[in-house]
Amino acid sequence: GAVVSQHPSRVICKSGTSVKIECRSLDFQATTMFWYRQFPKQSLMLMATSNEGSKATYEQGVEKDKFLINHASLTLSTLTVTSAHPEDSSFYICSARSTGTGFTGELFFGEGSRLTVL
Amino acid sequence: RKEVEQDPGPFNVPEGATVAFNCTYSNSASQSFFWYRQDCRKEPKLLMSVYSSGNEDGRFTAQLNRASQYISLLIRDSKLSDSATYLCVVNTGNQFYFGTGTSLTVIP
Repeated sequence: GAVVSQHPSRVICKSGTSVKIECRSLDFQATTMFWYRQFPKQSLMLMATSNEGSKATYEQGVEKDKFLINHASLTLSTLTVTSAHPEDSSFYICSARSTGTGFTGELFFGEGSRLTVL
Repeated sequence: RKEVEQDPGPFNVPEGATVAFNCTYSNSASQSFFWYRQDCRKEPKLLMSVYSSGNEDGRFTAQLNRASQYISLLIRDSKLSDSATYLCVVNTGNQFYFGTGTSLTVIP
């Protein structure tokens, strides 16, 4: 089946540094990918919709200058958390909608990236 | 009104029990529906798509009621390994809307 790969799975960084998370669709082309954040015992929260070749669409309350999204190809989207602070510590998950023969348009999720900012 | 409403639970059931979850959605134009399972500290994984005619996969049965705008998931003969959070997901246009997730714990 379709696979979405996310890297790194775990990252610890110092406050003020930037962290880049990659999301790749391995079996299909993804014109749209989604980025979520999830705090412990809470629901997934959509941060932004990443569109290949154009600007991402951010949800209300999500700072686009802090969470930089780049979707330069049909198989790769990146999320960069700039000038990270401890309150940015969270579980970040990407997803992509499956396309092409054999797929039914469901979402596949990356494995998630657990960010800890010290 | 939220796009998708889901009872967060928790549901605590004994092994072997049958348990059902429901989600309601607000947009009648929604076209695709899914159930995902999320284990603690892991990403959601597709459990099953939901079709208008209803569909079954082993102990799991999913149903869609377009008239009342809800989807359901039935788990029969619950196993300890079924303990997880179950998310309903509704696709409307290019957007996917998530329920809050229902927490299930199957007790020995």
